[in-house]
Amino acid sequence: GAVVSQHPSRVICKSGTSVKIECRSLDFQATTMFWYRQFPKQSLMLMATSNEGSKATYEQGVEKDKFLINHASLTLSTLTVTSAHPEDSSFYICSARVNVGYGYTFGSGTRLTVV
Amino acid sequence: GQQVMQIPQYQHVQEGEDFTTYCNSSTTLSNIQWYKQRPGGHPVFLIQLVKSGEVKKQKRLTFQFGEAKKNSSLHITATQTTDVGTYFCAGGTTNAGKSTFGDGTTLTVKP
Repeated sequence: GAVVSQHPSRVICKSGTSVKIECRSLDFQATTMFWYRQFPKQSLMLMATSNEGSKATYEQGVEKDKFLINHASLTLSTLTVTSAHPEDSSFYICSARVNVGYGYTFGSGTRLTVV
Repeated sequence: GQQVMQIPQYQHVQEGEDFTTYCNSSTTLSNIQWYKQRPGGHPVFLIQLVKSGEVKKQKRLTFQFGEAKKNSSLHITATQTTDVGTYFCAGGTTNAGKSTFGDGTTLTVKP
């Protein structure tokens, strides 16, 4: 089945530094990937839609200069949290869809802690 | 914008009891998906429904899509401890576009 590999699974960084999270589709091409943020015991909040070869589409209220998304190839999308602060600590997760007849395949998520 | 509401937020059952979670959309959907997220894990796709009135079964799980394509339900018969987790529905208004996730129903099963 379809696999989306997400790295790192956990990261602790100092306030003010930047963190890059990678998502790769291992056995299919993903022209579109989705990035979510999930707070404890809450739902998935869509942050942005990443489109291969073009600019990402950000949801309302998400700072595009803070959460930089790059989708340089059909199998790789990256999310960079720039100048991270403790309030950015969260579970970040990506997803992609193999085809319209199937649901989203999620990466395993990245737990970011900013100290 | 589109809203997807899911109830209940939490459900505690005794092992062997049945469980149902309901999903309601503010707009007509083209499809609805269901996912399960185990504690500490990531959402895993269970099923997608696209037809009005569609009913699909996966062993003890029964998924239903309403006639108006605005609501859906997931029913688990005779719950087991392996069923614990949070069940999310996600509604799509186009086949290729993004889906809106409900808030999820967290199921705990007491042995």
